[in-house]
Amino acid sequence: GENVEQHPSTLSVQEGDSAVIKCTYSDSASNYFPWYKQELGKGPQLIIDIRSNVGEKKDQRIAVTLNKTAKHFSLHITETQPEDSAVYFCAASPLNYQLIWGAGTKLIIKP
Amino acid sequence: EADIYQTPRYLVIGTGKKITLECSQTMGHDKMYWYQQDPGMELHLIHYSYGVNSTEKGDLSSESTVSRIRTEHFPLTLESARPSHTSQYLCASRAEVRETQYFGPGTRLLVL
Repeated sequence: GENVEQHPSTLSVQEGDSAVIKCTYSDSASNYFPWYKQELGKGPQLIIDIRSNVGEKKDQRIAVTLNKTAKHFSLHITETQPEDSAVYFCAASPLNYQLIWGAGTKLIIKP
Repeated sequence: EADIYQTPRYLVIGTGKKITLECSQTMGHDKMYWYQQDPGMELHLIHYSYGVNSTEKGDLSSESTVSRIRTEHFPLTLESARPSHTSQYLCASRAEVRETQYFGPGTRLLVL
C-alpha cells in the first residue's frame, strides 16, 4: 500500500525567511496531494493541494511542487510570519477514498 | 469554512465508563472518518464510513465502535474507557467528487 514519508520533523526558521517541507510517496497511482496546517487545539485545515497532472501550484506565500517521476512533493512558505508556526502534514491519495498521511513537521518561526 | 462539529471538545472520565464522541456535518458528505492523534503527532485512521449503514475499521486497531444511521452523524463509542484511550479524536468528512477532507475541531479525551 501507499506510504508517505515527511521531513524534517521539526523546522526552525527566522521570521521573514523561507521554509521548505518535503514528502515522498511510494504508490505511483496516487493522484492527489494535500497539505494541512494544524494549530494548537484545532483540527487540521487544508492550506493547498495539487493533483498529479500539475507540477506546481501557488497561493500567495504558499506553493507546492510535485515531481511525479521522483515521487516527491514539497511545501514552500515564503516570507514566514509568526502565525505560520504550526504542525504541517502532507498526504497522498491512492485510488480510493482515503488519505495516507505523513508524520508531520513542527514549524517554528523565530522572531 | 467546513461545517463539521464535534462534541464534547474535552472529556475527563474514569476507567470503565462508557463514552460516545459525537460528530456531525451539514455538508451532505457521504464519506466520514475518525482519526486518533496524540497532540501534534501523526494521524491514525481508526474508522471510516462511505455512507449510511457502511462502517469499516481503519489501519490502527481500536477498541472503539462507530455507527452511521444518518448521513450527517457519525458517533464513536468506547464501551469501557481505559487510560490507554487517552488521546485526541478527530472527525473528518469529504464529498464524493472532491478529495479534500474537512476536519472538526477534535475531542481531547483523558481517561483516569
